[in-house]
Amino acid sequence: DAGVTQSPTHLIKTRGQHVTLRCSPISGHKSVSWYQQVLGQGPQFIFQYYEKEERGRGNFPDRFSARQFPNYSSELNVNALLLGDSALYLCASSWGGIAYNEQFFGPGTRLTVL
Amino acid sequence: AQSVSQHNHHVILSEAASLELGCNYSYGGTVNLFWYVQYPGQHLQLLLKYFSGDPLVKGIKGFEAEFIKSKFSFNLRKPSVQWSDTAEYFCAVKTDKLIFGTGTRLQVFP
Repeated sequence: DAGVTQSPTHLIKTRGQHVTLRCSPISGHKSVSWYQQVLGQGPQFIFQYYEKEERGRGNFPDRFSARQFPNYSSELNVNALLLGDSALYLCASSWGGIAYNEQFFGPGTRLTVL
Repeated sequence: AQSVSQHNHHVILSEAASLELGCNYSYGGTVNLFWYVQYPGQHLQLLLKYFSGDPLVKGIKGFEAEFIKSKFSFNLRKPSVQWSDTAEYFCAVKTDKLIFGTGTRLQVFP
């Protein structure tokens, strides 16, 4: 079975632009979570979606938004990009919500904001 | 605020040396605890987890961790490291969300 897939692998944007990152969970998994990993830090929780509804949100500004589609894939959108948004964005999927299930991580999307 | 501290940022060992990586968390309620590993060029993957029961948990590749509730700690151990253990190790705590520590970079030399 394929693991969690993310696209694109790398992305370069300029300040003020917006970006859309995509994630496909492992087949059968209904929950997708998004994390931001700045260089030298651990992943920070951004969002969790389960059964197409937002179930959790981290301490990120409203410029960050996400959604989950009927096939359980997900998009993370970031508007009005800032230099500080440069990071590795990780997607993780699990069968259920975060509470009782191991999360499987994708390879990430490396976003560089110039 | 809930947080996870990993005090060892960079650890360098020779093969066959013993390893202990510290992890402390701040949260007074029930927690689930995890250690994740990221090998060079690979995805984050689960090394071991603690939900309840025996506080000494065993994971993959000979790793184990001990949950000490009174010390809010969940330290990772391995009796004898190998060169292939070179990786970044992250401790994580689940409350209402998954909170990661800053990570420990382990380098093992032959």
